[in-house]
Amino acid sequence: DIQMTQSPSSLSASVGDRVTITCRASQSISNYLNWYQQKPAKAPKLLIYAASSLQSGVPSRFSGSGSGTDFTLTISSLQPEDFATYYCQQSYSTPWTFGQGTKVEIK
Amino acid sequence: QVTLRESGPALVKPTQTLTLTCTFSGFSLSTSGMCVSWIRQPPGKALEWLARIDWDDDKYYSTSLKTRLTISKDTSKDQVVLTMTNMDPVDTATYYCARIKASAATFDYWGQGTLVTVSS
Repeated sequence: DIQMTQSPSSLSASVGDRVTITCRASQSISNYLNWYQQKPAKAPKLLIYAASSLQSGVPSRFSGSGSGTDFTLTISSLQPEDFATYYCQQSYSTPWTFGQGTKVEIK
Repeated sequence: QVTLRESGPALVKPTQTLTLTCTFSGFSLSTSGMCVSWIRQPPGKALEWLARIDWDDDKYYSTSLKTRLTISKDTSKDQVVLTMTNMDPVDTATYYCARIKASAATFDYWGQGTLVTVSS
């Protein structure tokens, strides 16, 4: 199985900050990497697919980059509604796997 | 408008078999490229992918759980069913079903999830 490792596990940031979350795959996954946002007691929401494609309706302050084994999710200017947990997920090969999550908290 | 909704028991006893149903609308699982997956999340923990079924009835399972899982579909009812045998308290989790956007291999629509507690 492909292992997905996110860093950091949690971070504290202020409104307006630029935030970067990284995700590393245990083997090359090309660009088969997706990012989700999850708020407490809610289902995850797709933000970015195919490493860098913005899902329809998602604000442009979210962006993704990377290929192969190293990927990043960037929030250019953190907004109050962005405080949540973020997960990466690979769909290069089954079984599909998720990272352990990064919790973004208010500083 | 795509929607998915999970249903099933909120409480099961250890060793019992869990049966969950995902009822969806807004798409058809008989359409080429459409797939549905199950994902679970223990309280306070990360997401875990469980299984996937494709429009052509291909099925895929979690490596660690494949001996306990069965996924099936009923296209006439727009439903996907997941069974998990020999339930244990560690299987306590919120179980989600999600549609797969085949062109991008991603979960683009999710159900709201259903919490299943395993306890005697």
